[in-house]
Amino acid sequence: QSVLTQPPSASGTPGQRVTISCSGSSSNIGSNFVYWYKQLPGTAPKLLIFRNNQRPSGVPDRFSGSKSGTSASLAISGLRSEDEAAYYCATWDDNLRGPVFGGGTKLTVL
Amino acid sequence: EVQLVESGGGLVKPGGSLRLSCGGSGFIFNNEWMSWVRQAPGKGLEWVGRIRSITDGGTTDYAAPVKGRFSISRDDSKTTLYLQMNSLKTEDTAVYYCTTDRVNVVRGLITNIPDYWGQGTLVTVSS
Repeated sequence: QSVLTQPPSASGTPGQRVTISCSGSSSNIGSNFVYWYKQLPGTAPKLLIFRNNQRPSGVPDRFSGSKSGTSASLAISGLRSEDEAAYYCATWDDNLRGPVFGGGTKLTVL
Repeated sequence: EVQLVESGGGLVKPGGSLRLSCGGSGFIFNNEWMSWVRQAPGKGLEWVGRIRSITDGGTTDYAAPVKGRFSISRDDSKTTLYLQMNSLKTEDTAVYYCTTDRVNVVRGLITNIPDYWGQGTLVTVSS
């Protein structure tokens, strides 16, 4: 059981906007920055969003992050076939004193 | 370009030991806090542990499932990170990734979250 809760799957058609949610608690999302990663099959995760809504250089502005209370969301607009991947949220947990991850959401582009 | 290359994975029997290595390049290795994160087959990501930069004390912290069995060290002269794994259990079977970390100070607390990741090395614990 992951500390952060994500839906196991999401889907959309090319060009559509999809959002992926990530739910936590006051000891993690509620008091720390949220990060998002993209993982293609058989490859390592890649940082997509840091500090709730910041994009590393090279990440398209189609990807955006937000946080409210103990929940966070990743939005992907103008969906493309190459966006088909697993997406993970992560944050620090004050009680566990370490990073914690969501269980991952597999995004399918129909 | 940041590059992290893990090695040392393989098949080991329950109760056995294994040491993973992670070579880093393209960044100032000795400035970085670094972590190990693992992913069991078909499962999600799990933080294993972290080592601070030597400048920040070089100390380590571990997740509860591995505390007392795993040990992280670093050799900055070789730009290499290590993960010594002892008393291995079948549930330790996973791909192990090394990462550089983003360090933040939040409400006076120092926190770290993985940033760049290596390609991973598979550890299989089975009899």
